[in-house]
Amino acid sequence: DTEVTQTPKHLVMGMTNKKSLKCEQHMGHRAMYWYKQKAKKPPELMFVYSYEKLSINESVPSRFSPECPNSSLLNLHLHALQPEDSALYLCASSQDPGAGELFFGEGSRLTVL
Amino acid sequence: GQNIDQPTEMTATEGAIVQINCTYQTSGFNGLFWYQQHAGEAPTFLSYNVLDGLEEKGRFSSFLSRSKGYSYLLLKELQMKDSASYLCAGGYLGTYKYIFGTGTRLKVLA
Repeated sequence: DTEVTQTPKHLVMGMTNKKSLKCEQHMGHRAMYWYKQKAKKPPELMFVYSYEKLSINESVPSRFSPECPNSSLLNLHLHALQPEDSALYLCASSQDPGAGELFFGEGSRLTVL
Repeated sequence: GQNIDQPTEMTATEGAIVQINCTYQTSGFNGLFWYQQHAGEAPTFLSYNVLDGLEEKGRFSSFLSRSKGYSYLLLKELQMKDSASYLCAGGYLGTYKYIFGTGTRLKVLA
């Protein structure tokens, strides 16, 4: 199994809603990542989890809250988002942090109304 | 910081060969990746270079020079479906990060 699975594929939410994005990998990878990507821009790193611990938070607003329940799962909790947060949210994993191939999920397309 | 630079846009003709260059900061560098991304889709892995030299995979090849901080992606026998963005990304040990370039939007013309 060489897949990173993300759900949901599409999400529309209001600015007062609370929702979560989910990511799962069963490759035994020790690092998992959340990226945000706007149209015609490269992926922008948000968070890195290494061995289930948060290693990097790239100064992301607190309305985005990551969680790593176990070595296979990564969640991104969303609360009180702004329309400018609408983007493609990509989950990725690698064998070790910053080393080896980076495997991407298909992404969750988020629209904030 | 670890800057990754690549051209913003390129245009080529169907059946031709195109080379997309990428330069990166060498300090802490571990390996270099190329991804293809079609509009609205997630990036898909093309190649990973750790050692100097050329890696060939069908119509796509990738080259790395660690001493020069330079890589290129070579696409042969271009097809219309190759129109996409090509992302160069560097892995950096100790920082836990993969740093992406701005991406090169390739347009293949008939």
